[in-house]
Amino acid sequence: KQEVTQIPAALSVPEGENLVLNCSFTDSAIYNLQWFRQDPGKGLTSLLLIQSSQREQTSGRLNASLDKSSGRSTLYIAASQPGDSATYLCAGNYGGSQGNLIFGKGTKLSVKP
Amino acid sequence: NAGVTQTPKFQVLKTGQSMTLQCAQDMNHEYMSWYRQDPGMGLRLIHYSVGAGITDQGEVPNGYNVSRSTTEDFPLRLLSAAPSQTSVYFCASSTQETQYFGPGTRLLVL
Repeated sequence: KQEVTQIPAALSVPEGENLVLNCSFTDSAIYNLQWFRQDPGKGLTSLLLIQSSQREQTSGRLNASLDKSSGRSTLYIAASQPGDSATYLCAGNYGGSQGNLIFGKGTKLSVKP
Repeated sequence: NAGVTQTPKFQVLKTGQSMTLQCAQDMNHEYMSWYRQDPGMGLRLIHYSVGAGITDQGEVPNGYNVSRSTTEDFPLRLLSAAPSQTSVYFCASSTQETQYFGPGTRLLVL
């Protein structure tokens, strides 16, 4: 069964710290992996998408990596800010063009001023 | 573009009642899907559609029906609501790769 796991479930850091969120997946036949942000009571916002042929993607202070051989992805957040506080979800796409996503349960991040 | 819109934002139902959760997108995406999000369970796929007239089941389809008569709309129907269907429901539409989510519908079944 295809599963996506995120560790830790919650993380609290002081403002300005660099941090890494982890995502692991059981099936390496992944089409792509997507990181989302979810604010309380809101929908999901796509942050970064990494194709299976890529190793990493960057957007501003965010950098996501993908290692299919080890079944892992990481989301690196540089110089964290209180506005980064949210739940971060990773999702593996095994459906190709159909886009059926298998989600992890998320990491709830709190950045303290 | 409005993106993906969902109505209602919040709904309370009694056990056995029926209702339809509406979802619409204006991005001309062929692919649309419904997820439910529950504490400790993450998001799980209910049904999806790869184009008008084509639908299929996801991981947790029982108790839900869908239809796709147009590219824009993908309603989710609960025929006889049960307390186990209390959840937050998200609709998404996608290109071949990136998914765009609606703001969600919070459903409480008493």
